Amino acid sequence: LAKTTQPISMDSYEGQEVNITCSHNNIATNDYITWYQQFPSQGPRFIIQGYKTKVTNEVASLFIPADRKSSTLSLPRVSLSDTAVYYCLFSGNTPLVFGKGTRLSVIA
Amino acid sequence: GAGVSQTPSNKVTEKGKYVELRCDPISGHTALYWYRQSLGQGPEFLIYFQGTGAADDSGLPNDRFFAVRPEGSVSTLKIQRTERGDSAMYLCASSLNRQYNEQFFGPGTRLTVL
Repeated sequence: LAKTTQPISMDSYEGQEVNITCSHNNIATNDYITWYQQFPSQGPRFIIQGYKTKVTNEVASLFIPADRKSSTLSLPRVSLSDTAVYYCLFSGNTPLVFGKGTRLSVIA
Repeated sequence: GAGVSQTPSNKVTEKGKYVELRCDPISGHTALYWYRQSLGQGPEFLIYFQGTGAADDSGLPNDRFFAVRPEGSVSTLKIQRTERGDSAMYLCASSLNRQYNEQFFGPGTRLTVL
């Protein structure tokens, strides 16, 4: 199954921009890159999805270089409520494969 | 609008017993998924329904696990002869149609096998 690699954990202060990079060397042509957020005792929540270049919504931005072997989730001006686990994964014709994600801790 | 709901929220059972976990997807969503999540791990895919049929059941760990979706809406995950290793959070998600679409997750059922 397609595999992604992302940092286990990150810390940030409130108000800072946080960038979480994900590596995916074996992404397939028909795969989209998708990020989910999960708070404790809740199911994951979709954040953003992209295929290439840059995608932006009201929550985050997603940067994907031309070779698509990595992607970066950018969270502008994080707050304490952004403390969660963030998963990078592929969506397409194969089942979603969640790794362990990146545990983001936002500090006041 | 109503999101994905799962019942029960918690289930405690004894080793060897049979359990059923229910998922009510978002109305109109044809795709439904079951995942299992252990502490400190990401969700692990179990099975994917497109309509009434299981389009992909490659994630079911063994033949003790079975899921149905007889009318293309509500789904039930059934676990026979439960084992302590089955203890986990069981998550259900639905999406509008295919796997490219955003999946909406329910709150999960926490299963504890004593």
